[in-house]
Amino acid sequence: QKEVEQNSGPLSVPEGAIASLNCTYSDRGSQSFFWYRQYSGKSPELIMSIYSNGDKEDGRFTAQLNKASQYVSLLIRDSQPSDSATYLCAIYGTGANNLFFGTGTRLTVIP
Amino acid sequence: DADVTQTPRNRITKTGKRIMLECSQTKGHDRMYWYRQDPGLGLRLIYYSFDVKDINKGEISDGYSVSRQAQAKFSLSLESAIPNQTALYFCATSDRYSNQPQHFGDGTRLSIL
Repeated sequence: QKEVEQNSGPLSVPEGAIASLNCTYSDRGSQSFFWYRQYSGKSPELIMSIYSNGDKEDGRFTAQLNKASQYVSLLIRDSQPSDSATYLCAIYGTGANNLFFGTGTRLTVIP
Repeated sequence: DADVTQTPRNRITKTGKRIMLECSQTKGHDRMYWYRQDPGLGLRLIYYSFDVKDINKGEISDGYSVSRQAQAKFSLSLESAIPNQTALYFCATSDRYSNQPQHFGDGTRLSIL
C-alpha cells in the first residue's frame, strides 16, 4: 500500500464550478498535510498547509482534513482555466523526517 | 531572484558520463532535499540533509551521491550516468523544525542518451 494515494484523473470541471481533489494516507501518526500545484514542466508550488482536523480556507482554496478517516481534500471554488494543473498531496509521516508525495491529480478547467 | 536555484536547467549527456547538479538557496533553511520526478511515479526522494554534517539516503539513492558544501549549497552527482536516470530533478528546502513545508527549485531536466 502506498503511503499517499490520489486519483490520477484527469478531472475536468467547467469554469466557475467547484473542483474537489482527494487524498488518502496510510500512516495514522501523520501530523502535517500539504497541497502543491504543479504546472506542466514546472516545479511544485505550495498552495495549502493543514495541521488539524477541519477546514482551512485561503481565498478560493479550502483544505479539509479528517484524521479519523485518514483523508485530506482540496476544494477549489470558482475554478478558472489558470487552475488547470496537477495537484500533489504531500504528508509527513510519523517522525516527520520525510515528506511523502502522492502521484498527483491532473485538473482541467474547461472555459 | 529565485529563493532556490538549480543549475543547470537542462542537460543532455551520454551514458557513462559524470554529472553534477547544483542547488543553492537564499531562504536560510537548514534542510535540503533532492528528488526526481518521472511520469506516473511522482516525486521520489534521493537524498536529504538536515545540516552540513547530516546526510541521509532517501528512497532511491543507488547510483547517486551528494555533497553539502555549506548550509546554502547541496549538490547531486551521478557518477556514471545511465539512460534510466533520465528525469526531472528537483531540489527543495525546509526550515529546521519538523513538519515544515518544502520549497522547490525550478528543476533540472536531465536526458541521458
